[in-house]
Amino acid sequence: QKEVEQNSGPLSVPEGAIASLNCTYSDRGSQSFFWYRQYSGKSPELIMFIYSNGDKEDGRFTAQLNKASQYVSLLIRDSQPSDSATYLCAVNMNSGGYQKVTFGIGTKLQVIP
Amino acid sequence: GAVVSQHPSRVICKSGTSVKIECRSLDFQATTMFWYRQFPKKSLMLMATSNEGSKATYEQGVEKDKFLINHASLTLSTLTVTSAHPEDSSFYICSAKNLQGVGYNSPLHFGNGTRLTVT
Repeated sequence: QKEVEQNSGPLSVPEGAIASLNCTYSDRGSQSFFWYRQYSGKSPELIMFIYSNGDKEDGRFTAQLNKASQYVSLLIRDSQPSDSATYLCAVNMNSGGYQKVTFGIGTKLQVIP
Repeated sequence: GAVVSQHPSRVICKSGTSVKIECRSLDFQATTMFWYRQFPKKSLMLMATSNEGSKATYEQGVEKDKFLINHASLTLSTLTVTSAHPEDSSFYICSAKNLQGVGYNSPLHFGNGTRLTVT
């Protein structure tokens, strides 16, 4: 089982719509969760982080965490063409006795004008 | 703040030569830095954890004699790809955490990456 799973996409949404990106993780003891945006040829950029169950909103972005279901999601409201990128889910998990941030494969989002 | 600077952004070298990549934390001290590699259309893979003043911790399958890591100060870690071969061509990205606040649950902040091409 992959440690952090994401659908690679592409996920296509029209401009102005809500984009919903999903991620599941294997380590039930994980405490911190991150969403990164990566444009082609660039390094990842932190978008959101969440530590507690529930929703966390920052501008057009909302991160949702459900530790019981081992599920974390990212909602992007009023999607813009500039949001087109790959979104990486990352989880800080225990690996061999130390903390390691593990990334999913990323979901490619395409916002259609 | 949590700004990480990486240099060079792009390097082309001949097979058999060595390449050094620098990673600096500009506005915070980083006792630990992380080196990732990313192949096209693949996810980030952790190569090693760089520890200030001590040996790096390498992930399984990463050759420590090929990928030399030095973390001599609280703001600088270097990755040297020794005797590079074409299969080492990849995107190498360093990252660090600003541990003030939530400690090891803090997010990773990435440098801009180094695209290495070995001819």
